[in-house]
Amino acid sequence: SYELTQPPSVSVSPGQTARITCSADLLSKQYSYWYQQKPGQAPMLIIYKHTERPSGIPERFSGSSSGTTVTLTITGVQAEDEADYYCQSTDNTGTFWVIGGGTTLTVL
Amino acid sequence: EVQLVESGGGAVQPGRSLRLACSASGFTFSSYWMHWVRHAPGKGLVWVARISRDSRGSSYADSVRGRFTISRDNANNKVFLQMNSLRVDDTSVYYCAREAPGAGDWYFDHWGRGTLVAVSS
Repeated sequence: SYELTQPPSVSVSPGQTARITCSADLLSKQYSYWYQQKPGQAPMLIIYKHTERPSGIPERFSGSSSGTTVTLTITGVQAEDEADYYCQSTDNTGTFWVIGGGTTLTVL
Repeated sequence: EVQLVESGGGAVQPGRSLRLACSASGFTFSSYWMHWVRHAPGKGLVWVARISRDSRGSSYADSVRGRFTISRDNANNKVFLQMNSLRVDDTSVYYCAREAPGAGDWYFDHWGRGTLVAVSS
């Protein structure tokens, strides 16, 4: 089985930049995806294939990849960005999926 | 508009069974792989199971393999999760999720609102 490792929490002040990492060996070969989940809501895709942003997602959300670590960056954090963020990937055939433990972003 | 609506959750004792259903609308259901994902209180999301468009292929997380079975009814646009030998740590909100349609696009592009399963004696 696979594991994706995320920090449990990240805190930033409004207007600052938040970076949330996700690490696993498989990320050097497989794409990563990022979801935002607010309390009481279903998760929402915010980044796909490491760096792509779905339509409707603000430009302040971006993704990057380096080796076995991928990073979600939120530039100019806003209060509404306070949420849980999850990375997700799969094995090389798409058969087994894995989701990171999640990172709670707190906007101070 | 794509809609996924889960049902069948509730309170159940350890060792018992429960069957969840997800009703899909707003898209050609038989063209998509489907998943179940769960979210335990105070914990993170966990992928549970996946089923192919024609039901010929399925896969499971280690934590549920042998106890849970995913299935689908394309005629009625539903996907199911049969959960047997339930344990206290299966307590979660269970989400139905649609897999993105492109080859190799291995991510969830739509989610339901979830149904709560509470396993307790």
